[in-house]
Amino acid sequence: AQSVAQPEDQVNVAEGNPLTVKCTYSVSGNPYLFWYVQYPNRGLQFLLKYITGDNLVKGSYGFEAEFNKSQTSFHLKKPSALVSDSALYFCAVRDGKIYNQGGKLIFGQGTELSVKP
Amino acid sequence: DTGVSQDPRHKITKRGQNVTFRCDPISEHNRLYWYRQTLGQGPEFLTYFQNEAQLEKSRLLSDRFSAERPKGSFSTLEIQRTEQGDSAMYLCASSSNTRTGGNTEAFFGQGTRLTVV
Repeated sequence: AQSVAQPEDQVNVAEGNPLTVKCTYSVSGNPYLFWYVQYPNRGLQFLLKYITGDNLVKGSYGFEAEFNKSQTSFHLKKPSALVSDSALYFCAVRDGKIYNQGGKLIFGQGTELSVKP
Repeated sequence: DTGVSQDPRHKITKRGQNVTFRCDPISEHNRLYWYRQTLGQGPEFLTYFQNEAQLEKSRLLSDRFSAERPKGSFSTLEIQRTEQGDSAMYLCASSSNTRTGGNTEAFFGQGTRLTVV
């Protein structure tokens, strides 16, 4: 069964410091991996995705993520955090082995990122 | 407006009442998804449509829940005889799929927050 784990409920970072939000996954086929961000009382906003190709994926708002197949990880990173990055971050996986699989996403529990000035 | 739209944004209902939510996807998207999100959790998949066909339903979708997408455009999610445990944020998402490229990322609406009292 597909699953996603976000081992940290909360990550605290000082503004200007690098940040990492961790994600590990388990799928039966090739993974399609996603990061979404959620601000209070809002829907989810797409940040970036890994389908194939380079292991380092660049996305919106200066975020990037590194796909590591051997460690089954897809950690979200940003070189210099901003206070406005404070939000709830979700990692998600979709099994990409079959074209007509449906495309549903399996989400992690989320990590609350808090960036202090 | 080019985003996913959900209506209403908030709904308070008494236990036992029926409620219906509407989702208008991005116009060119052929896939539409419903998710449920409770506090402190990631979104959980409920069901999805490709055009007007409902192709998959989660076990979370009890027989009190029904979803439709009659013309392959907007969708409705109805909950009959609501229970307090139905209180959650109901998220709608849409995406488009291509035979060569598979499924694109999902774009989410801002959600409908249901409170059952």
